[in-house]
Amino acid sequence: SQTIHQWPATLVQPVGSPLSLECTVEGTSNPNLYWYRQAAGRGLQLLFYSVGIGQISSEVPQNLSASRPQDRQFILSSKKLLLSDSGFYLCAWSEDNQETQYFGPGTRLLVL
Amino acid sequence: AQSVTQPDIHITVSEGASLELRCNYSYGATPYLFWYVQSPGQGLQLLLKYFSGDTLVQGIKGFEAEFKRSQSSFNLRKPSVHWSDAAEYFCAVGRMDSNYQLIWGAGTKLIIKP
Repeated sequence: SQTIHQWPATLVQPVGSPLSLECTVEGTSNPNLYWYRQAAGRGLQLLFYSVGIGQISSEVPQNLSASRPQDRQFILSSKKLLLSDSGFYLCAWSEDNQETQYFGPGTRLLVL
Repeated sequence: AQSVTQPDIHITVSEGASLELRCNYSYGATPYLFWYVQSPGQGLQLLLKYFSGDTLVQGIKGFEAEFKRSQSSFNLRKPSVHWSDAAEYFCAVGRMDSNYQLIWGAGTKLIIKP
């Protein structure tokens, strides 16, 4: 069966520091991968999605970036965090050419 | 443009009572429809989905949803809620024009009264 992992689970970072959040999927190949942000009390905002290694599409311009160095690995990064980057970050995957998305446990990021 | 509306931000229901969470969408064709649940501090879990066929869909945890094309709705129901159902519920529509993304509703927070 497929599983999706995210780490770290919680992160507290100072403003201006770098960020790296990691997401990995097991038990499938060539998945579509997604990064979402969920601000407190808000819905889901799609940040990035990827249909293959090195293929990243950005939905919202911001100081975040994403990379997919391996088929089942998706990384969310920032060179300098802003206070507004605080939130709950969710990674999700779907089978290639399928709509159903499956979510990881999320990473809670607090920027101080 | 496609959109999903969940008109209720919060709903409070007594334990054991029935539940209906509303979801309306705008989409020109027959959509792919989803309901997800998110417990506090957790990721989202798929409850059920509708792609085609029988318009009444059964999901996990005793939930069901009915697709009504005439009303552009996909309401989620449960005959008797349990305290463990307290969570946030998200409706989503498949965005068919771009790599199978989902358009998300803003969510409905379900509060259970003892």
